[in-house]
Amino acid sequence: AQKVTQAQTEISVVEKEDVTLDCVYETRDTTYYLFWYKQPPSGELVFLIRRNSFDEQNEISGRYSWNFQKSTSSFNFTITASQVVDSAVYFCALSEAGAGGTSYGKLTFGQGTILTVHP
Amino acid sequence: EPEVTQTPSHQVTQMGQEVILRCVPISNHLYFYWYRQILGQKVEFLVSFYNNEISEKSEIFDDQFSVERPDGSNFTLKIRSTKLEDSAMYFCASSWINTGELFFGEGSRLTVL
Repeated sequence: AQKVTQAQTEISVVEKEDVTLDCVYETRDTTYYLFWYKQPPSGELVFLIRRNSFDEQNEISGRYSWNFQKSTSSFNFTITASQVVDSAVYFCALSEAGAGGTSYGKLTFGQGTILTVHP
Repeated sequence: EPEVTQTPSHQVTQMGQEVILRCVPISNHLYFYWYRQILGQKVEFLVSFYNNEISEKSEIFDDQFSVERPDGSNFTLKIRSTKLEDSAMYFCASSWINTGELFFGEGSRLTVL
């Protein structure tokens, strides 16, 4: 069975600091996807990134970057020069292929990390 | 920008009552999902739906739950006889292809008294 662990329950930083959110996962599948979602105070879940298990290249999108390391089963998320608007709960999630590759929409979420960015 | 819309945003009900939560997925999406989040806890998968049938469901999704796509646009979650522990935020999601890039609605908060 798959499992996602976000060990940091809450992180508090001051604006312009860099912050890294940790995510460690467990799966027996060789094919899987990893995700990050953001949940702002308004409550919806906003998709940030999807990574498949065969692509270990790091990715950068503006102030966001992701570091995928299969050797340590980690998929960490860094926000550079944080801003108050980054304050939210961030969820890491995993989906496995399942029988016939049909289960990619069944996500297993971590507990979430509450990020608070102070002005 | 297309979005997933959910109604109601908040529903309060008495234990034992039936509840229907409604969702309008993004119009060209083919896969539909319900997830729930008990306050302060992680988001949990309930059910996925494709081609007018359930493709996968979790152990949470017992006989009290059902889903339907009655008219080609709405996607509903029915809880037949609510229990206190059904109190949660219920998220509908949809995707164009089954790769996990889900688009979530804003959620329907269900409070069972």
